[in-house]
Amino acid sequence: DAGITQSPRHKVTETGTPVTLRCHQTENHRYMYWYRQDPGHGLRLIHYSYGVKDTDKGEVSDGYSVSRSKTEDFLLTLESATSSQTSVYFCAISERREGPGGDQYFGPGTRLLVL
Amino acid sequence: SQQGEEDPQALSIQEGENATMNCSYKTSINNLQWYRQNSGRGLVHLILIRSNEREKHSGRLRVTLDTSKKSSSLLITASRAADTASYFCATAPGRGSQGNLIFGKGTKLSVKP
Repeated sequence: DAGITQSPRHKVTETGTPVTLRCHQTENHRYMYWYRQDPGHGLRLIHYSYGVKDTDKGEVSDGYSVSRSKTEDFLLTLESATSSQTSVYFCAISERREGPGGDQYFGPGTRLLVL
Repeated sequence: SQQGEEDPQALSIQEGENATMNCSYKTSINNLQWYRQNSGRGLVHLILIRSNEREKHSGRLRVTLDTSKKSSSLLITASRAADTASYFCATAPGRGSQGNLIFGKGTKLSVKP
């Protein structure tokens, strides 16, 4: 998991509470991504960042917000968690040296359970 | 929006045999990538093949790309128990999607010792 950490690694929370997941990289990569992985759906992009303070929505962005105030940190916030947001969340980084999409490097994941 | 679809969904083979997984996609691509995911871990990038390439090798991995059929295959030769994992294809569309990858649902490979 090349220089990418995610915190927390596991979290149990209740419906309606805010939750923030953190992704930290030491690779100085420009692009950072948040995905969720669910059985039967594979990996789906939530939000991504193409630079400090530059973020955009992915395929499943409803109910999520992100912030990137430093190159190394990308935060994912669930403003008011719902049971449908129970999932495994992965952060990824890329420099896109190989072209669009780039070869991405993934963090270890965060397991989130919303009761 | 699912771009890549892997086939089969699950594959079980004996150690030493070859494993072949296929990926089909719908729209034009800039490149196609394969990733591996061991149980409970993040994805690991294996190989990237560009739209103007037809075949690429990396160790025991061989990837082919047929843009006319919009399909790719991943061949793992002389498989080992350690190859047991889920394998995902991901496409970087030629246009749109802001250049982001779109992942398939994966093939679960089980290699029995």
